[in-house]
Amino acid sequence: DQQVKQNSPSLSVQEGRISILNCDYTNSMFDYFLWYKKYPAEGPTFLISISSIKDKNEDGRFTVFLNKSAKHLSLHIVPSQPGDSAVYFCAASPMYSGGGADGLTFGKGTHLIIQP
Amino acid sequence: EAQVTQNPRYLITVTGKKLTVTCSQNMNHEYMSWYRQDPGLGLRQIYYSMNVEVTDKGDVPEGYKVSRKEKRNFPLILESPSPNQTSLYFCASSSGIAGYTDTQYFGPGTRLTVL
Repeated sequence: DQQVKQNSPSLSVQEGRISILNCDYTNSMFDYFLWYKKYPAEGPTFLISISSIKDKNEDGRFTVFLNKSAKHLSLHIVPSQPGDSAVYFCAASPMYSGGGADGLTFGKGTHLIIQP
Repeated sequence: EAQVTQNPRYLITVTGKKLTVTCSQNMNHEYMSWYRQDPGLGLRQIYYSMNVEVTDKGDVPEGYKVSRKEKRNFPLILESPSPNQTSLYFCASSSGIAGYTDTQYFGPGTRLTVL
């Protein structure tokens, strides 16, 4: 049972345009969401996060939107640049683990390709 | 520089030959974990540790062992590796203060091939 789903394995966007990466989740206990970016031969690096008390979080060119009722979040990159070409992972977790598992549940990733 | 290091970065071994992948973090983080990444499956958690001497199973723990004798180190042990453990492995750490989720920092990865 996949609790975090990224239904697009890949996405191709022209440089300068908006990239929109989508993520759906099923576990209603999730209230903290993160996006990670991964280049080949490197570990994932944290990009941006959002907690369920907000519906939008912005950091420079990156904005994450959260729709709790739809259990859906999206990452917008504007404008897209060649260096944004990477695999993007959506991850989710309860904000408070109560001393239990603090692990993130990851989606399968979306490979974003920025075309010149 | 704050970082998570893993060694080795690449390893080719044979079935049944015990191996250890080391992981070390210099951020004084309480929480550490191991993930494996496989094509089409994303990142799946193997084991995690909330603190020294406290470890627990993640989603895919079979065939793996871990230990947390010191706060900074969290080695992953494969007692008898099998070909289905061929994968890309990542160690991660986070502050994990008081049970609250925090950003996890990942190591560079270890690509393991079991023949």
